[in-house]
Amino acid sequence: GIQVEQSPPDLILQEGANSTLRCNFSDSVNNLQWFHQNPWGQLINLFYIPSGTKQNGRLSATTVATERYSLLYISSSQTTDSGVYFCAVESYGNNRLAFGKGNQVVVIP
Amino acid sequence: EAGVVQSPRYKIIEKKQPVAFWCNPISGHNTLYWYLQNLGQGPELLIRYENEEAVDDSQLPKDRFSAERLKGVDSTLKIQPAELGDSAVYLCASSLDGGGANTGELFFGEGSRLTVL
Repeated sequence: GIQVEQSPPDLILQEGANSTLRCNFSDSVNNLQWFHQNPWGQLINLFYIPSGTKQNGRLSATTVATERYSLLYISSSQTTDSGVYFCAVESYGNNRLAFGKGNQVVVIP
Repeated sequence: EAGVVQSPRYKIIEKKQPVAFWCNPISGHNTLYWYLQNLGQGPELLIRYENEEAVDDSQLPKDRFSAERLKGVDSTLKIQPAELGDSAVYLCASSLDGGGANTGELFFGEGSRLTVL
């Protein structure tokens, strides 16, 4: 099946700093979603972004499907941004999202 | 609008006991998913329903796991008998899909954390 690799696995940020999380995948995809799992375990959908760029407040994401990667940008980080960020992808004809292992982010005040 | 609702949030049982988890999806979402999340890992699909039909259950360990989605709304996931290795978080998600298409934008419940002793 498709392989999903997220980097860096762990990241510690000072509040107010910017960061970039990366998701590489091993096959062509027609679906890519980014999620944030907060410290209480709730998974929130951040972006549905199989290609192109989207922005939502301090978060933005870019997927370059032809080069098989996606980036999630966090600007002016806040302590509430702490948690695990998951990238999930779906290859053509598969109809099943494959999740990466996540980026563990800790934002310190 | 209410999100995906799951219960119970936490469950502790002895091995070999049965356990059941319940999920109510977002109103109008025809596709429902059960995922398993082990510590430090991303969620893995157990079963996907489109309305009442289980369209992908290839990852469900059918010897001890069963699921149903009567009337195409609520769903129940059951484990009988539970084993130590079943300790994990069971997540329910729903999406609005066109049927037969790839996974839609997923909305997750808070999860049911199972501990098997």
